Amino acid sequence: ETVLTQSPATLSLSPGERATLSCRASQSVSSYLAWYQQKPGQAPRLLIYDASTRATGIPARFSGSGSGTDFTLTISSLEPEDFAVYYCQQWSNWRGTFGQGTKVEIK
Amino acid sequence: QVQLQESGPGLVKPSETLSLTCTVSGDSITDYYWTWIRQPPGKGLEWIGYIYYSGSTNYNPSLKSRVTISVDTSKNQFSLKLRSATAADTAVYYCARARPAMSYAFDIWGQGTMVTVSS
Repeated sequence: ETVLTQSPATLSLSPGERATLSCRASQSVSSYLAWYQQKPGQAPRLLIYDASTRATGIPARFSGSGSGTDFTLTISSLEPEDFAVYYCQQWSNWRGTFGQGTKVEIK
Repeated sequence: QVQLQESGPGLVKPSETLSLTCTVSGDSITDYYWTWIRQPPGKGLEWIGYIYYSGSTNYNPSLKSRVTISVDTSKNQFSLKLRSATAADTAVYYCARARPAMSYAFDIWGQGTMVTVSS
C-alpha cells in the first residue's frame, strides 16, 4: 500500500503570504496525485488533479507540481478563504489513499 | 449538475451492519468509479473502496473483510455495507465520484452523513 506523508502538519501564515505544502509518497505514483481543500463542516473540494492540473473553477493562485514521489501544492498569495485543511490523495494499484492533512491557519 | 446524496441511519449498534446509500442525480452512474470515503471526528480522510457501474469493486485492505459495495444502475444508486460495526467506525461517511479522465481524482462529493456506532 502506498503511504502519503504530508508536511508540515500545521502552517501558520498571514493573508497575502505564500504557502508551500509538501506530499511525499512511499513509492512512485507517477502523476496520479490530487489535492483537496476541506473547511469545517464541509466535504472536501478538489483543487488539483494529475499533480498539476487545476480543477474547474479553482483560482490561479493554487498550483501543483511534482511527479513520482514528491509533490507540492503552492498557494501564491493567501486569501482569507484559503485557511483550511489540505489533503493529498493518490491512486495506484486500483486503490486510493490520502495523506494525513496539512492545516493552514492564520498567524 | 451532478449531485450525490448519502442516506441511511445515523445510529448503529455495535456488532450490527452499517448500511448507507448514495443517490446520483444529474448524470448516469455509468462510466465512472463510485467511491466511499470516511472521516472520523477530528481526523483525516480514509478511502473505503469503489465500485464500477459494471459491478467490479476494490476495497481498502484494512476493511476488506467487513465491506461490501454494490450498485443499482436502474435507480442510479450505489450502497455501502460495513459488517460488525464498532465505535471505531464512527465517522462522517462521504460518497464521491472518481473520474478516470482525471487520474481517478474525486471530483464530485456528497455532503456527507454522520454515523455513530453506539448502544
